[in-house]
Amino acid sequence: AQSVTQLDSQVPVFEEAPVELRCNYSSSVSVYLFWYVQYPNQGLQLLLKYLSGSTLVKGINGFEAEFNKSQTSFHLRKPSVHISDTAEYFCAVSRNSGYSTLTFGKGTMLLVSP
Amino acid sequence: DTEVTQTPKHLVMGMTNKKSLKCEQHMGHRAMYWYKQKAKKPPELMFVYSYEKLSINESVPSRFSPECPNSSLLNLHLHALQPEDSALYLCASSQADSGNTEAFFGQGTRLTVV
Repeated sequence: AQSVTQLDSQVPVFEEAPVELRCNYSSSVSVYLFWYVQYPNQGLQLLLKYLSGSTLVKGINGFEAEFNKSQTSFHLRKPSVHISDTAEYFCAVSRNSGYSTLTFGKGTMLLVSP
Repeated sequence: DTEVTQTPKHLVMGMTNKKSLKCEQHMGHRAMYWYKQKAKKPPELMFVYSYEKLSINESVPSRFSPECPNSSLLNLHLHALQPEDSALYLCASSQADSGNTEAFFGQGTRLTVV
């Protein structure tokens, strides 16, 4: 079985400041890692994914994440946030099976203020 | 077209009603999913269909009945629901045959059971 831990339930930050949202996972098998964003009353949108290869993954809207196998982490970063980045961010793992069955962390609410 | 379309967007139903949620995708994906998301919680997997066959049922109560009439459509039939079933129901689709693929989510149906 796999699990995902997002230690921070809420991260307040000022506009144009850098931000890091933390994600740790545990799994006894190989997994694939994802970050999704959910704006209020919306579905989920994929920010980025790690499947294999380079451990630094770049996504949409200026976000990037680094896969660290030894620390079982997949932290999300953005060098300069905007007000429009205010949303809920979910880290997720997918089992190495025939489908994209996602196990999500509890989510981190990013609150960007002027 | 990278959209997953869910209808209706909002649904209010009584505990004795029968209703259906609908999901459609035209990306040629052969895996489709239903997730349930309670307020301020992460999405939780309910069902997975692969090649129109039910592959995973995460011990969901029988008052939720999924159906996949063809490769583009996924329904969730609801009957005799409880108020605690009120949630955002998310449909997703992905390529089948591999876990290293992203899932595309619809905007969800906000269900309220009264």
